[in-house]
Amino acid sequence: EAGVAQSPRYKIIEKRQSVAFWCNPISGHATLYWYQQILGQGPKLLIQFQNNGVVDDSQLPKDRFSAERLKGVDSTLKIQPAKLEDSAVYLCASSLRAAGATTEAFFGQGTRLTVV
Amino acid sequence: KNEVEQSPQNLTAQEGEFITINCSYSVGISALHWLQQHPGGGIVSLFMLSSGKKKHGRLIATINIQEKHSSLHITASHPRDSAVYICAVRERGGADGLTFGKGTHLIIQP
Repeated sequence: EAGVAQSPRYKIIEKRQSVAFWCNPISGHATLYWYQQILGQGPKLLIQFQNNGVVDDSQLPKDRFSAERLKGVDSTLKIQPAKLEDSAVYLCASSLRAAGATTEAFFGQGTRLTVV
Repeated sequence: KNEVEQSPQNLTAQEGEFITINCSYSVGISALHWLQQHPGGGIVSLFMLSSGKKKHGRLIATINIQEKHSSLHITASHPRDSAVYICAVRERGGADGLTFGKGTHLIIQP
């Protein structure tokens, strides 16, 4: 079974530039998550999609971050403009998530963003 | 909002030692995950628990719902077990994004 695919693996940009990350979840997984992991900390949820609808984006800095999941499959996370403090690993995860059930989440390899 | 605390933050041990990593949380949960993260790598899910105990190879995970506490044990530790181990919880009744601990950095020396 193919896992969660993310690209690119690494990205270095200057502050105030824009960047986009891509995630392809496991086939059939309705729920998709984007997490931000700053060095030395645990991941923090940015946004959760159920199919193509947003379930939770309470911790997404909406002035500069945006995410979409058109057609309920692939997702993109964009930062515009980037700040130095956005340097982190951005992790995508997906889960099967039946209604009312707790299912395991599977993680991608992450995209390591460095803002200089 | 759940507070997830892990201990220790860093652990260095000799090959063959029995390892215990602890996790405590503050609010009732529907599930607790133990995850493994290698340097530069993604996260691998080791266990998902809602009660009791699970075992997979040399790894054992336990959870005490009443005490809001979980432990991850590694028996006969090996240098390839060196990684960051992260505890994450899903709150009961909430949106099911995970709340993560800061992780335990484990180094097993040969």
